[in-house]
Amino acid sequence: NAGVTQTPKFQVLKTGQSMTLQCAQDMNHEYMSWYRQDPGMGLRLIHYSVGAGITDQGEVPNGYNVSRSTTEDFPLRLLSAAPSQTSVYFCASRNADGTYEQYFGPGTRLTVT
Amino acid sequence: KQEVTQIPAALSVPEGENLVLNCSFTDSAIYNLQWFRQDPGKGLTSLLLIQSSQREQTSGRLNASLDKSSGRSTLYIAASQPGDSATYLCAVCVYGQNFVFGPGTRLSVLP
Repeated sequence: NAGVTQTPKFQVLKTGQSMTLQCAQDMNHEYMSWYRQDPGMGLRLIHYSVGAGITDQGEVPNGYNVSRSTTEDFPLRLLSAAPSQTSVYFCASRNADGTYEQYFGPGTRLTVT
Repeated sequence: KQEVTQIPAALSVPEGENLVLNCSFTDSAIYNLQWFRQDPGKGLTSLLLIQSSQREQTSGRLNASLDKSSGRSTLYIAASQPGDSATYLCAVCVYGQNFVFGPGTRLSVLP
């Protein structure tokens, strides 16, 4: 199993540009989520999904959109990038065996200039 | 709202020492607590997961305990090694499925 994969690893955007961060998992996990990690702030939940076709907002959803058309994929879209969205983005999935253990991708480092 | 804190924010110890990292949470209604390790520029690696009904979990030189009533968890690292140098994060799973993370403890183990 590849686990949780994310692309790209690094990205530089100009203010106002849009882009999609890709996330995929091959563990057949229903629950997937996106976090951003900023210095001194820890990881904060952006959006999450409990299954295909179902998404919901986390703590810091503004400026981001998500969709979940398949169990495997959970892309994160930045509609109009702002410097405040400069961060490291992590995708995670969680098993459904009752333990709710989380598995994380390697992250995408995004810089918005 | 669940809040998670970790003390200390940073820790530097000589190789071979036993050490304890602390995690506190404000709401005891948690489903589980998970400890992670994060190396610089890398993702999060799961170390230990403690269910709300459990008191502790062990893996090798690592032992994590959970006291829900006091809202505390500790991660004990025995015989620390330079390779243990990393940031350690705890996260609590609240009922309703989402996780809340602490800010982390940055550990340096000096040879």
